[in-house]
Amino acid sequence: EIVLTQSPGTLSLSPGERATLSCRASQSVRSRYLAWYQQKPGQAPRLLIYDASSRATGIPDRFSGSGSETDFTLTISRLEPEDFAVYYCHQYGSSLTFGGGTKVEIK
Amino acid sequence: EVRLVESGGGLVQPGRSLRLSCTTSGFTFGGYIMSWVRQAPGKGLEWVGFIRSKAYGGTTEYAASVKGRFAISRDDSENIAYLQMDNLKTEDTAVYYCCRTQNEGGSYQNPYDYWGQGTLVTVSS
Repeated sequence: EIVLTQSPGTLSLSPGERATLSCRASQSVRSRYLAWYQQKPGQAPRLLIYDASSRATGIPDRFSGSGSETDFTLTISRLEPEDFAVYYCHQYGSSLTFGGGTKVEIK
Repeated sequence: EVRLVESGGGLVQPGRSLRLSCTTSGFTFGGYIMSWVRQAPGKGLEWVGFIRSKAYGGTTEYAASVKGRFAISRDDSENIAYLQMDNLKTEDTAVYYCCRTQNEGGSYQNPYDYWGQGTLVTVSS
């Protein structure tokens, strides 16, 4: 099973700042089959990025994904108030696993 | 509009059973792999299992933590996916989400583009 480790656990930033979230896999993720989701309290996760760098439908271009093999990054170029949430990475190349999440909180 | 609505959650004693339903609309249900993902209170997401479309045998796969206790089925005539949970344990307490894979077909190698709102299952004596 591929274990995904997200860091940092919590990111404290101000609106307008840049957020960089990391997702490290214990083995290479096949074909860059990695997604990122956003989850707000009391809501279901929402797909942001798939195949490591493709934005899902309706996702603003301030969200971008990059990386390959074992190291992946989600970048939010300029944080908007609605972006403060928990973010999960998810690999679907070999079975299915999720990372433990990164909380982006208001500083 | 794609919609997924879970139901059937509640309080259940350890060792008992519960069946969750995921009622869908707005897409060709029969062509998609349907999955279940759970989230224990205050914790992260955990994949539970999925069922392929009938065109790909309707076969299922499960996480090791639930294999042999949980079973996923589907009724393509009603556009509903089910999660039968037997021999429940306290560690199964979680919100259970039903999810659709992004693309039609038999490959599980797709992200989840639509999620239901979740249903809470509490296993406690």
